[in-house]
Amino acid sequence: DAGITQSPRHKVTETGTPVTLRCHQTENHRYMYWYRQDPGHGLRLIHYSYGVKDTDKGEVSDGYSVSRSKTEDFLLTLESATSSQTSVYFCAISPGRFYNEQFFGPGTRLTVL
Amino acid sequence: AQTVTQSQPEMSVQEAETVTLSCTYDTSESDYYLFWYKQPPSRQMILVIRQEAYKQQNATENRFSVNFQKAAKSFSLKISDSQLGDAAMYFCAADYGGSQGNLIFGKGTKLSVKP
Repeated sequence: DAGITQSPRHKVTETGTPVTLRCHQTENHRYMYWYRQDPGHGLRLIHYSYGVKDTDKGEVSDGYSVSRSKTEDFLLTLESATSSQTSVYFCAISPGRFYNEQFFGPGTRLTVL
Repeated sequence: AQTVTQSQPEMSVQEAETVTLSCTYDTSESDYYLFWYKQPPSRQMILVIRQEAYKQQNATENRFSVNFQKAAKSFSLKISDSQLGDAAMYFCAADYGGSQGNLIFGKGTKLSVKP
């Protein structure tokens, strides 16, 4: 295992409530990513981080924000959850930007009612 | 646009037989990397095999091998001597070297293995 944990593993919430998902790594890798997985779409990048306090948007970033105050933690926040954000969320880490294997966390299943 | 396409939503194979999963991609980059990931029912994403575009030799990992056709932009995965534990979703992914460093994923192929 690559030393990645995600919390919570499952969450059910109501539309309009804020939600924060946490990704924690013990590998001290520089790059961290948040993907979402939906049927028929594969995995799509939401946000990524290339260092402490260095983050940027991905393909499907609307409605999401991220923060990285420590190397080991990367937080994904849904400011006001919507039903379209019901998905499985994966965190991934990588030691470098190009041609480095990305190690994935176990995923968080989020349901927004 | 840089894309990855998996045209087979589902595949089935008999135990001990061989199956090939298809993947095509599109990029104007000359240097890139291709991956196959396995996602069993546990949901964990597991790297199966990787291929560097500059290498002509096809990558092999035990029972898993790829057929990399750079001119055709094709990257298929062959699983030999299929086992029940091979049943999973398989995702083809590409690293085109973009500034984000993220992988571009296909939509996946669900592989069933019949005993």
